[in-house]
Amino acid sequence: AQSVAQPEDQVNVAEGNPLTVKCTYSVSGNPYLFWYVQYPNRGLQFLLKYITGDNLVKGSYGFEAEFNKSQTSFHLKKPSALVSDSALYFCAALNKLIFGAGTRLAVHP
Amino acid sequence: EAGVTQFPSHSVIEKGQTVTLRCDPISGHDNLYWYRRVMGKEIKFLLHFVKESKQDESGMPNNRFLAERTGGTYSTLKVQPAELEDSGVYFCASSQFSGRRDTQYFGPGTRLTVL
Repeated sequence: AQSVAQPEDQVNVAEGNPLTVKCTYSVSGNPYLFWYVQYPNRGLQFLLKYITGDNLVKGSYGFEAEFNKSQTSFHLKKPSALVSDSALYFCAALNKLIFGAGTRLAVHP
Repeated sequence: EAGVTQFPSHSVIEKGQTVTLRCDPISGHDNLYWYRRVMGKEIKFLLHFVKESKQDESGMPNNRFLAERTGGTYSTLKVQPAELEDSGVYFCASSQFSGRRDTQYFGPGTRLTVL
C-alpha cells in the first residue's frame, strides 16, 4: 500500500538550534511532495512543495526540504528554530492524496 | 483574497443524528477536496470535486456520507446517520488548476464529535 510516514510523533528543539522533521514516502511513480503546518485552531498552511527539478526546495518562514529519491525522503529543515515554529507539521504526497500522521514540533526558549 | 472557509467550526451530535458540514472554497477554484483526520491519525482523503462533478470519491467510507457541490461553488458533506467512529476533524481544501501538482489550500476544519 502507498503511504507517507512521519516516524516521530514529536520533535523537541531548543530555540536557535537547527530543526529537522522527517518524512519518508512509499508511492508509485514520481511523488508530488508537500509540507503543511497547522497552528492551534487554524487550518493547514502550505509551506513548500517538490514537483520536479532542484531537489532542495525553499519555502515559507525560512523552511526548506530536500527531496532524496534514493532514500525516498523529504525531510523538512530550518537552520535556526523559533518558539513561534511550534506547531503540527504534515507531510503529504498530494498526487496520491496521502498524508502522514503529523509531527508535533516543540521549540523551547 | 478570502481563504477556504468551513462551517460550523465545531459540531456535537448524538449517534443516529444527521449533520451537514459546509465548505466555501477560494473563489475561482474549480477543485474542491474533503479530508478527515480521526483520533490524531493521518489525514485521509474523502473525495475530490472538479466544479460540480465528483472526480474521485474513492475515500468515502460508506453510504452514510453524501457530498454535493451544486453549481460548482460551495460544497456540503452530510453524515446520516452519524456513528461514533465518524468523530474527527473534517478538512476542506481547494485548488485552482487540475492535476495534483497544484497547491491545495485548506480551511480551518470542522471538529465533529458524535456522542
